Amino acid sequence: AQTVTQSQPEMSVQEAETVTLSCTYDTSESDYYLFWYKQPPSRQMILVIRQEAYKQQNATENRFSVNFQKAAKSFSLKISDSQLGDAAMYFCAYRRPGGTSYGKLTFGQGTILTVHP
Amino acid sequence: DAGVIQSPRHEVTEMGQEVTLRCKPISGHDYLFWYRQTMMRGLELLIYFNNNVPIDDSGMPEDRFSAKMPNASFSTLKIQPSEPRDSAVYFCASSSVTTEAFFGQGTRLTVV
Repeated sequence: AQTVTQSQPEMSVQEAETVTLSCTYDTSESDYYLFWYKQPPSRQMILVIRQEAYKQQNATENRFSVNFQKAAKSFSLKISDSQLGDAAMYFCAYRRPGGTSYGKLTFGQGTILTVHP
Repeated sequence: DAGVIQSPRHEVTEMGQEVTLRCKPISGHDYLFWYRQTMMRGLELLIYFNNNVPIDDSGMPEDRFSAKMPNASFSTLKIQPSEPRDSAVYFCASSSVTTEAFFGQGTRLTVV
C-alpha cells in the first residue's frame, strides 16, 4: 500500500517570502501522480499542482513549484512571494495512474501554513 | 457548472439518530468518492462509485455506514445509528477518466 508522509505539522512564512513544504511517499510502483491540495478555512479542497512521475521536469503553477525527487521519493512544494491568501492547510497526495484511479487519493497528514503580514 | 454540491454544510445530531449526507457530482463525471476527514486519521477514502455502481467500499468503517448512488446526479452517505466518534468532515468528490477529482465543500458532522 502507498503511504504519504508530511513531517511538518506547521510552518510559517512572512508575506512576500518563500516557503517550502515537505512530503515523502512510499510506493513500489514506477508510474503514479503526486499532488498538492490546499484547504483554506472554508474547507474547500483546492488542487494546487500536479506532478506526473514519468516526467522529469518539475511542475510549476505561477508562484507554486515542486521539487520532485523520484529516487528519494520526495515531493516538496515551494511557494514564492507568499501572500496572505496562501494561509491554509496543505495536503500532499498520491494516486496511481489510469482512468479508474482518478479521485482515489492517498493523503498525507497535512501542514498548516501561516502567513505573517 | 456549479461544482460538486454537498448538503447540508453542517449537521448536528444526537447519538443514535440517523444521519444522511447528500452529494450532487459534476455533470458528466462518472466517478464519485466519499472521503472522511478527522484530526486523528486525516483524509481517508470511504467508498467510491463508477457509473453509479459501488466499486470499493473497503474504507467504510462499520456496517452503520452505507452509501448509495441511485442515479448519476445524486449520492447519499448514511450513518445509522450515529455515534460521537463519527464526528468529522465528510467530503464528496467526482471525476472522470480524463479529469482529476473535484471536491465539494464538505459536510461538518457533529454527533453529541
